[in-house]
Amino acid sequence: EAGVTQFPSHSVIEKGQTVTLRCDPISGHDNLYWYRRVMGKEIKFLLHFVKESKQDESGMPNNRFLAERTGGTYSTLKVQPAELEDSGVYFCASSLLGGANVLTFGAGSRLTVL
Amino acid sequence: LAKTTQPISMDSYEGQEVNITCSHNNIATNDYITWYQQFPSQGPRFIIQGYKTKVTNEVASLFIPADRKSSTLSLPRVSLSDTAVYYCLVGDRGGGADGLTFGKGTHLIIQP
Repeated sequence: EAGVTQFPSHSVIEKGQTVTLRCDPISGHDNLYWYRRVMGKEIKFLLHFVKESKQDESGMPNNRFLAERTGGTYSTLKVQPAELEDSGVYFCASSLLGGANVLTFGAGSRLTVL
Repeated sequence: LAKTTQPISMDSYEGQEVNITCSHNNIATNDYITWYQQFPSQGPRFIIQGYKTKVTNEVASLFIPADRKSSTLSLPRVSLSDTAVYYCLVGDRGGGADGLTFGKGTHLIIQP
């Protein structure tokens, strides 16, 4: 079974540019989560999809971040325009509906904003 | 939202048993305890989950006392590859963000 796939693994952009991160969850996993770890900080929850619907987006830092999950399959997280403090590793995770907090994480997408 | 407290770091040697304790004094009735492991440049990986008493799988054991205010992750006969960060999470199993809050974790270093 394929795991959670994230793309790109690393992106380096300049302040003010736009970046889109993609996550392909495990097939059949209705729950999809985005997390972020900023350098030296804890892993922080960003948002949670159940299928195509946003269940909880309380962790999204501001309106420069936009997450979508078209058709309840893959998800994208767009940062526009990127700021220096957006640098970090963005993790995606998925689980079955009713999956009891047993998440499968991707390897993460490292974002560096210069 | 239950808060967890873990040691910042621990050292041990290959072949030994390692126990990492997590405190969660404000755990709620519906909360479960879940442990994740994270290697550098990888996402966290689920290890084990429990509600009370003892749970064991092929990787680890989880001991939870009757008051559930703490839990202990036990790794039998560790190897160098067990060097990682271990996170203790507490929350209900509804899949919501409350149960998926990562703290600072415990940096476990295994030496030869």
